[in-house]
Amino acid sequence: KAGVTQTPRYLIKTRGQQVTLSCSPISGHRSVSWYQQTPGQGLQFLFEYFSETQRNKGNFPGRFSGRQFSNSRSEMNVSTLELGDSALYLCASSLLSRGTSMNTEAFFGQGTRLTVV
Amino acid sequence: ELKVEQNPLFLSMQEGKNYTIYCNYSTTSDRLYWYRQDPGKSLESLFVLLSNGAVKQEGRLMASLDTKARLSTLHITAAVHDLSATYFCAVDKWLSSNYQLIWGAGTKLIIKP
Repeated sequence: KAGVTQTPRYLIKTRGQQVTLSCSPISGHRSVSWYQQTPGQGLQFLFEYFSETQRNKGNFPGRFSGRQFSNSRSEMNVSTLELGDSALYLCASSLLSRGTSMNTEAFFGQGTRLTVV
Repeated sequence: ELKVEQNPLFLSMQEGKNYTIYCNYSTTSDRLYWYRQDPGKSLESLFVLLSNGAVKQEGRLMASLDTKARLSTLHITAAVHDLSATYFCAVDKWLSSNYQLIWGAGTKLIIKP
């Protein structure tokens, strides 16, 4: 079965621009989570969407937003890009929301490497 | 503040040797995860540990969880070169009215033939 697909794989943007990243979860998975990975800060949780609703949110500014569609595909948007937003953005899909006590194992996509210049 | 600390952060070892990576976390948590990441690649789920005393094994890797000590270990037996990667542990924590996954810094493991 197909894994988690993220597009694009690489992106170069200029400061002040905005960017939209896309994530298609594993078929049947309803939860999509987004993470930022940088050498300095490591892996940080951005937010989780489940059944088109944001269920969990990390400590990122409002410039970072997302949404989920009825087919569970998710998009993440970053507005007014800053140099510090350069990172690998990873998306993970799970069968259930991370707030449940059942199996919430997350399967990750290949990531989108965003470079802000 | 919840902290997840991995130890060591870097490990270089010879093939055939055994070693253990440690993951300490500062407050109670319901679940602990181990992931592997190869350079430039995504994260691969290795183990999900859900309860105190949980032990899971896959090939040369074995993970355990002691919730009382707030400690998880990832033990590598008779290491082979293919296990070279960065290993992350992560902990689920109820924070600010929702669950967040808090990650360790990762342990970069290099296994020399």
